[in-house]
Amino acid sequence: GDSVTQMEGPVTLSEEAFLTINCTYTATGYPSLFWYVQYPGEGLQLLLKATKADDKGSNKGFEATYRKETTSFHLEKGSVQVSDSAVYFCALSDRRGYQKVTFGIGTKLQVIP
Amino acid sequence: ETGVTQSPTHLIKTRGQQVTLRCSSQSGHNTVSWYQQALGQGPQFIFQYYREEENGRGNFPPRFSGLQFPNYSSELNVNALELDDSALYLCASSLGATGDTGELFFGEGSRLTVL
Repeated sequence: GDSVTQMEGPVTLSEEAFLTINCTYTATGYPSLFWYVQYPGEGLQLLLKATKADDKGSNKGFEATYRKETTSFHLEKGSVQVSDSAVYFCALSDRRGYQKVTFGIGTKLQVIP
Repeated sequence: ETGVTQSPTHLIKTRGQQVTLRCSSQSGHNTVSWYQQALGQGPQFIFQYYREEENGRGNFPPRFSGLQFPNYSSELNVNALELDDSALYLCASSLGATGDTGELFFGEGSRLTVL
């Protein structure tokens, strides 16, 4: 079945450091790929998405590129801020008939001043 | 625009009891999905409702059931509670029942503790 593997945290970075959170997936067909973020005390919210190979999703300075050849969707940000501290989930939707989204385990990011 | 709201936010039950969780979908959304998020894990898909019908289900036993109402709000019912049912239950609404967009709008969840 479909699965998402992402690096386990926690990841601790200093403010203005470069962030990479690795994500790889297994799916049949051509899934859509997502990064969701969960800030402390809040619900999950979509951060960015990509729906086909070589698409780049971006939002709030975060980027991720859909790499079909390596089945990856790594999340990057050039300069993190304290306000980016949250749990980040890589996810996919296989677009088969109904809208099931498969999530990774989540990576907790802590940014220190 | 009203977001997804869930109730109750926290509840404690004992093994064997039954629980009902409620969700109001975001305005204009006709599809509701439920997810279970165990501590330290990612959300796991339970099922999806579209136009008051269950149209997709994950790997959960039949004692997990649901309803969707004409106003698109939804309930999740769990019978014969087990200790492993302790988790955060997330409701997500979306526009459209297919995975073409995949964008889900989540509530803050109902945290269930089973003793």
